[in-house]
Amino acid sequence: KAGVTQTPRYLIKTRGQQVTLSCSPISGHRSVSWYQQTPGQGLQFLFEYFSETQRNKGNFPGRFSGRQFSNSRSEMNVSTLELGDSALYLCASSSMDGAGYTFGSGTRLTVV
Amino acid sequence: QQQVKQSPQSLIVQKGGISIINCAYENTAFDYFPWYQQFPGKGPALLIAIRPDVSEKKEGRFTISFNKSAKQFSLHIMDSQPGDSATYFCAARVTGNQFYFGTGTSLTVIP
Repeated sequence: KAGVTQTPRYLIKTRGQQVTLSCSPISGHRSVSWYQQTPGQGLQFLFEYFSETQRNKGNFPGRFSGRQFSNSRSEMNVSTLELGDSALYLCASSSMDGAGYTFGSGTRLTVV
Repeated sequence: QQQVKQSPQSLIVQKGGISIINCAYENTAFDYFPWYQQFPGKGPALLIAIRPDVSEKKEGRFTISFNKSAKQFSLHIMDSQPGDSATYFCAARVTGNQFYFGTGTSLTVIP
C-alpha cells in the first residue's frame, strides 16, 4: 500500500515568488491536512481538506492557501514568499474520522 | 498559545533504560491523543495512540499513560534501544482532524 507522497522533496525559492506543493494521499483517504514544521515553532496546523472542501484552518496569513481535487490529491500554495516561510511542509492523510492519520516525508522549502 | 505542552525538550538515556516523555493539555474537547516518532529527513510516523476513556495502552515496549483528571499523558519507552533515538511528538485532536502537537522531545539512547 503506497504511503502519502509529497512532491517536490526540496525546493529553493526567492523572496517574493510563489510556490505550489503537491500531496497525494493514501488510496481511499479523503482527508488531507497540511502542517508547517520549523525548529522554533514545531508542527503548526495550516488547514485540512475533505471532499474538496476546506474543513479546518489554522492561524496562518492568507498567503497560504490550498485546494483539493476530486481524486483527493491536494496542493498548497504560498504567495509572496518571505524568509520566514522556510520550513518543512508536511501533508497528512486519513479517513474522515482520523483513522490511519499518516504523514508524508515532506517538502523542504528554502526561501533565499 | 501552545495547546499541548511537552517536556523535556531533550532526553539522554542509557541503552536498556526507560525513557519518559510528558505532555499536558487544557482543552477538554480533545478526543484522541497520539504519539509520533520522527527520524531526520522523514515525516512523523504514528507510534501509539489513546482515547481519553482509557488510562493506559501498551504496544510492545511503548506505553501511554493517560490521566484525564490531571489533563496529562505520557509516553514510556521500556528497554530503550539506540534505534529509538529520534524526535517524539505528542499530539491531541479536536473533531475534524485538526491536531495540535507538542514541541517535540529529542531522544538519544546511548549504547
